[in-house]
Amino acid sequence: KAGVTQTPRYLIKTRGQQVTLSCSPISGHRSVSWYQQTPGQGLQFLFEYFSETQRNKGNFPGRFSGRQFSNSRSEMNVSTLELGDSALYLCASSTSTYEQYFGPGTRLTVT
Amino acid sequence: LAKTTQPISMDSYEGQEVNITCSHNNIATNDYITWYQQFPSQGPRFIIQGYKTKVTNEVASLFIPADRKSSTLSLPRVSLSDTAVYYCLVGAANQAGTALIFGKGTTLSVSS
Repeated sequence: KAGVTQTPRYLIKTRGQQVTLSCSPISGHRSVSWYQQTPGQGLQFLFEYFSETQRNKGNFPGRFSGRQFSNSRSEMNVSTLELGDSALYLCASSTSTYEQYFGPGTRLTVT
Repeated sequence: LAKTTQPISMDSYEGQEVNITCSHNNIATNDYITWYQQFPSQGPRFIIQGYKTKVTNEVASLFIPADRKSSTLSLPRVSLSDTAVYYCLVGAANQAGTALIFGKGTTLSVSS
């Protein structure tokens, strides 16, 4: 069974721009979660989607948004990028809460 | 979600058994204990999950005492490739929409 895929793997953007990251979950997984990982803050939860509905949201500003499509694929968008948004963005899919399968991540660098 | 406490770092040599203990004094009745492994610049990988006593799979064993206030992840005969960060998480296994809360984890360094 194919794992979670994320595109692109690497991205360089300029402050003020916006970015869209994509995540394709494991086939049959309807829950998709997004996390941000930085050296200073560690792994932080962004939001979780299930059947196209956002069920939970972490403590991030409104510049961070997401959506899920009917095929369970998910996208997250960050608008008006700031230097502090530079991070590894991870997507995870699951059928149960604590057994989540993570993708390789998208490394975003904001200059 | 129960708070967990685990050592910041551990060192080991190849071939040794490594035991990482996680403290979770406020674990709830319906909480499970789950461990993840993360290599640099990769997403975390689910290792093992348990509720009580002992669970073993091809990668590790998880020991949980009767009071469930702590748990120990045991990695048999570690190799250099086991160098990673190990996270202990505690929470209800199937609570819809629950976010995984990762602490700082334990950085395991295996040397030859």
